[in-house]
Amino acid sequence: KAGVTQTPRYLIKTRGQQVTLSCSPISGHRSVSWYQQTPGQGLQFLFEYFSETQRNKGNFPGRFSGRQFSNSRSEMNVSTLELGDSALYLCASSVQKSNTEAFFGQGTRLTVV
Amino acid sequence: DQQVKQNSPSLSVQEGRISILNCDYTNSMFDYFLWYKKYPAEGPTFLISISSIKDKNEDGRFTVFLNKSAKHLSLHIVPSQPGDSAVYFCAASERRAGGTSYGKLTFGQGTILTVHP
Repeated sequence: KAGVTQTPRYLIKTRGQQVTLSCSPISGHRSVSWYQQTPGQGLQFLFEYFSETQRNKGNFPGRFSGRQFSNSRSEMNVSTLELGDSALYLCASSVQKSNTEAFFGQGTRLTVV
Repeated sequence: DQQVKQNSPSLSVQEGRISILNCDYTNSMFDYFLWYKKYPAEGPTFLISISSIKDKNEDGRFTVFLNKSAKHLSLHIVPSQPGDSAVYFCAASERRAGGTSYGKLTFGQGTILTVHP
């Protein structure tokens, strides 16, 4: 069974630009969550999607958005990039029954210059 | 407001000995706890989990203990191996009223485990 796939693995963008990251969950998983990892803040929850609906959102500005498609694939978008957005962005998928584990992709390393 | 805390930034143990990683939480609504292992520039790998209705869960060399009254959990690795060297994250989630997970994990800051041959 294929794992969670994130593309691209690495990305370099300039301040003010926007970026779209992609996540394909494990087959059969309907929940997709996004996390940001930085050295100072650790792993921070961005948002969660289930059946194309955002169910939960973390404390990030509106520049961070996402969506989920009918095949459960998800994208997240960051507009007007700032230097502080440089981070490892991780996607996780789960079956979403009661108490299920989340399985993570390898992440997208975004560098804003 | 850090709801999940791993107070030890690092831990060093000898191969073959026990590694004990600790985690404390403050949110009494958390009812499911997980441990992840992470290498640099990779995503976290799920290790083991425990529901709040249990106080112990075992999987091979890994055992997680939960003390709800103290809001404390720990991960025991026995015996420790050099390949266990990584960053270990404790995470917690709340359950929705309908019983399904919120899909949001709250992570601790991580503990760097180094196992020396």
